[in-house]
Amino acid sequence: DAGITQSPRYKITETGRQVTLMCHQTWSHSYMFWYRQDLGHGLRLIYYSAAADITDKGEVPDGYVVSRSKTENFPLTLESATRSQTSVYFCASKLREVNTEAFFGQGTRLTVV
Amino acid sequence: KQEVTQIPAALSVPEGENLVLNCSFTDSAIYNLQWFRQDPGKGLTSLLLIQSSQREQTSGRLNASLDKSSGRSTLYIAASQPGDSATYLCAVIPSYSGAGSYQLTFGKGTKLSVIP
Repeated sequence: DAGITQSPRYKITETGRQVTLMCHQTWSHSYMFWYRQDLGHGLRLIYYSAAADITDKGEVPDGYVVSRSKTENFPLTLESATRSQTSVYFCASKLREVNTEAFFGQGTRLTVV
Repeated sequence: KQEVTQIPAALSVPEGENLVLNCSFTDSAIYNLQWFRQDPGKGLTSLLLIQSSQREQTSGRLNASLDKSSGRSTLYIAASQPGDSATYLCAVIPSYSGAGSYQLTFGKGTKLSVIP
């Protein structure tokens, strides 16, 4: 299916475990983003990528790792999950830097217990 | 640092009413502004994108305006319907370089309820 998809939709993990959230887009968009959404904070940027093999930190990168070996995939890894990383995670993509719409995946609800 | 504010946080209107949602941003140096809707437990759906050189964009019953000089945007919804009930978010792309370049900076949204 065309679009941007995230997996899994829901995940429960234990403190200290490594977990990877997947994001796949079929448009060959250059830019991809990871946001987290929390009550009271809204949407905050974790990491973004301008192209394959080019990634950079956003506002709240600590505890997260990303990679982008292929244009279409942008996985987000929590190296050692903490309860403060319980959140809803959204992946997004857009064609160019500016003046193009950003499109979001359906989100992954992550609970760290 | 760019900050985006949406007031009110929640709004309830009767079906059929025309309504306006507000978005303000602190730095007028932006590339563009985008409006989204988010249904409970769902992702964000893009509604309208306004480039910095544009004053407004229209899609169906939706009309978004942009006044960069005053740091404001409005989303006008005509003849509201219960299906319009959702949280509406605005986001800007600041035109400065640095960490998170070309990222969207979001407001916290306005939760709209349209009462039948």
